[in-house]
Amino acid sequence: SQQGEEDPQALSIQEGENATMNCSYKTSINNLQWYRQNSGRGLVHLILIRSNEREKHSGRLRVTLDTSKKSSSLLITASRAADTASYFCATVGSGTYKYIFGTGTRLKVLA
Amino acid sequence: GAGVSQSPSNKVTEKGKDVELRCDPISGHTALYWYRQSLGQGLEFLIYFQGNSAPDKSGLPSDRFSAERTGGSVSTLTIQRTQQEDSAVYLCASSLGPPGNTGELFFGEGSRLTVL
Repeated sequence: SQQGEEDPQALSIQEGENATMNCSYKTSINNLQWYRQNSGRGLVHLILIRSNEREKHSGRLRVTLDTSKKSSSLLITASRAADTASYFCATVGSGTYKYIFGTGTRLKVLA
Repeated sequence: GAGVSQSPSNKVTEKGKDVELRCDPISGHTALYWYRQSLGQGLEFLIYFQGNSAPDKSGLPSDRFSAERTGGSVSTLTIQRTQQEDSAVYLCASSLGPPGNTGELFFGEGSRLTVL
């Protein structure tokens, strides 16, 4: 399977804590993206990091990329109950058009 | 339109019936994708359109599945002789152009298919 892997599969934290999710992938990539999915809804794009970047920030989000290890992490700082959702990484292989999604991390933030 | 629109939002059908799922992408988006998501699972790639052409149909699970896109806009995913294992949420997404150029996918809310 080309599908990426994410860990943990599920994460439960208290409001105000930081949440870290990891993604591993299998092929060389053009870019890596993170998406969020609220229960029963479509996915929403959060952030994109290109293969020549190592770290990127957007508001409370911080993404890192290590192409030598074929891995990425998403950090959500000062989490809120509204951050409760599933988070997916998606990669686009070099020279391809196919977005390959990871298996997702289900995050629950307790108020 | 303002966003990607999918219809129907929910479809319950009997095993053996055909179903059609529709996707209206964001106006001007040339790339269109179909994905399938089973309960609690990740997204399974089905097919990609650039304009009206589908360079890769290899993600379609069987020959019961087909898709077309007309006028570089609306796309229809057809499942013939539905089986219970076809039950899933079918997600459509569009983007301005090929992934190397633009990056972000915009998703519809999905069509939930239940085959009894």
